Parts: sequence; C-alpha cells; structure tokens
Amino acid sequence: DAGVTQSPTHLIKTRGQQVTLRCSPKSGHDTVSWYQQALGQGPQFIFQYYEEEERQRGNFPDRFSGHQFPNYSSELNVNALLLGDSALYLCASAEGNSNQPQHFGDGTRLSIL
Amino acid sequence: QQQVKQSPQSLIVQKGGISIINCAYENTAFDYFPWYQQFPGKGPALLIAIRPDVSEKKEGRFTISFNKSAKQFSLHIMDSQPGDSATYFCAAPSSNDYKLSFGAGTTVTVRA
Repeated sequence: DAGVTQSPTHLIKTRGQQVTLRCSPKSGHDTVSWYQQALGQGPQFIFQYYEEEERQRGNFPDRFSGHQFPNYSSELNVNALLLGDSALYLCASAEGNSNQPQHFGDGTRLSIL
Repeated sequence: QQQVKQSPQSLIVQKGGISIINCAYENTAFDYFPWYQQFPGKGPALLIAIRPDVSEKKEGRFTISFNKSAKQFSLHIMDSQPGDSATYFCAAPSSNDYKLSFGAGTTVTVRA
C-alpha cells in the first residue's frame, strides 16, 4: 500500500520563476494538506483541499495556490519565487471529513537561487 | 490560532535510557494529538497519536501522556536506541479548523 508520494524530490529555481509541486495521497485518503518546513523548524500549514475545494488556508500570500483533482491528487503552485521560499514542501493526506491523523510524504526540497 | 510550545530543543540520552519530550498547547482542541518522527531528508512519520479523552497511550517503547486540564502532553521513549536518533515534533489540531499546528521540534541523540 503506497503512502503519500511527492514529486519532484528536489528542485532548483531562480527568483521570479514559478514552480508546481505534485502530491498523490495515501490510498483511501481524500483530504490533502500542504505544509512548508524551513530548515530547523516545524512544518507550517499552507492550505488544505477537500472535495476539490480549498477548505482552509494558513498565513501564506496569494502567490501560493493549489488544486485538487478528482482522483484526490493535488498540486501546489508558487509564483514569483523569492529567496525566502526555499524550504521543504510537505504534502499530508488524511481520511474523511474530519481531523484524522495526517500522513506525510517525504517532501520536495525547493532551493531558490 | 493554535500555539504549541515544545521542549527541550534537544536532548542526549544513553542507549537504554528514557527520553522525555513535553508539549503545551493554548487553545481547546479536539480529535487527536499526534507525535511525528523525522529523519534527515525524510518527511515526518506519524509515530503515535492520542485522543483527548484518554490520559495515556502506549505503543511499544513509545508512550504519550495527556493532561487535558493542564493542556500538556508528553512523549516518553523507553529503552532508547541509536535508531531513535531523530527530530520529534508534537502537533495539535484546533477545535474550529482543520490544520495542525506543530511544535518547534526536539532533536534526540541516543549515544551507544
């Protein structure tokens, strides 16, 4: 049973560019959340998708946007990249319309030059 | 907004010893309180979670203790092994939204 899978594993971009990160949730999970983890810190909530809608959003600018597809997979898009966007981007999935324990993927390491 | 305070920032324990990590949350929360284990280059892996109507939960060498009135919960790692060397995060949900708020993390080093 595959867990949460994310692609790519690493990515290098320059300031001002745009990036798309992808996530496939754990089998049986229909809720997907995205987190940003800076080096040495805990994950920070970006937003959560359920039934193809953004259900909740954290304190991140509109440059961060997302999408959830009918098969529950999800994308995170970041526009106008800044040096400060360099981080590990984590996707987490959960089952059902409730706060069940979230399961994380291994993330995408994004470096901005 | 849920705030979660985790301590200590790091700890070193001898093989076979007990590691204790503490977390405190501010707002009333429901559903569950998870602990995650993260190795370098990997995502956080769900280690153990407890529901707020339970005071203690044990899975193998890992035990969560929960004190609802004090709004505190802790992770105890018994018989610590070198393979337990990792960063541990506590997290707490909020009562009226869906996100998890994480502590700052505790780096545990187990000396052989």
